[in-house]
Amino acid sequence: KAGVTQTPRYLIKTRGQQVTLSCSPISGHRSVSWYQQTPGQGLQFLFEYFSETQRNKGNFPGRFSGRQFSNSRSEMNVSTLELGDSALYLCASSLMGAFGNTIYFGEGSWLTVV
Amino acid sequence: DQQVKQNSPSLSVQEGRISILNCDYTNSMFDYFLWYKKYPAEGPTFLISISSIKDKNEDGRFTVFLNKSAKHLSLHIVPSQPGDSAVYFCAASSYNQGGKLIFGQGTELSVKP
Repeated sequence: KAGVTQTPRYLIKTRGQQVTLSCSPISGHRSVSWYQQTPGQGLQFLFEYFSETQRNKGNFPGRFSGRQFSNSRSEMNVSTLELGDSALYLCASSLMGAFGNTIYFGEGSWLTVV
Repeated sequence: DQQVKQNSPSLSVQEGRISILNCDYTNSMFDYFLWYKKYPAEGPTFLISISSIKDKNEDGRFTVFLNKSAKHLSLHIVPSQPGDSAVYFCAASSYNQGGKLIFGQGTELSVKP
């Protein structure tokens, strides 16, 4: 079965712009989470969507937002990009959530802000 | 506040020997733990998980041990192979946190032929 698909894989943006990243979860999975990976901070939880509702949110500023569609596909948006937003953004999907389930990750979207 | 800690940034092991990767956590509400393997520029790959009602879980060459009283878990890889060379992350979750995982900082494992 198809895995978690993220697009685009690589992108370069200018400071002040905004960016939208897309994630298609594994078929049947209703939970989609987003993570940011940077060399200094490791893997940090951004937010989780379940059945089109945000269920959990990490400690990121309001410039980071997301949404989930009825087919479980998810997008995350970062507005007013800063140099520090350069990172690997990972999407993860699971059937219902973490407990008792396996959470599968996509290959990630590499964002460079210049 | 680092709730999940992997205190060894790197580990080097000879092929065929055992690799032991350690992870400590501080939040007693965590009740589900996962280990992931990650290569550069790729997403993490799930290896094995354990819930707090167990103290051991095995899957092939991978075994995870959980010591709840010490808030400590470890991943054993036996025998280690060069293809196991990667960064290993432990992650923790709690039942009421849905799909939210808290990750450690990772341990880079190098298996020498």
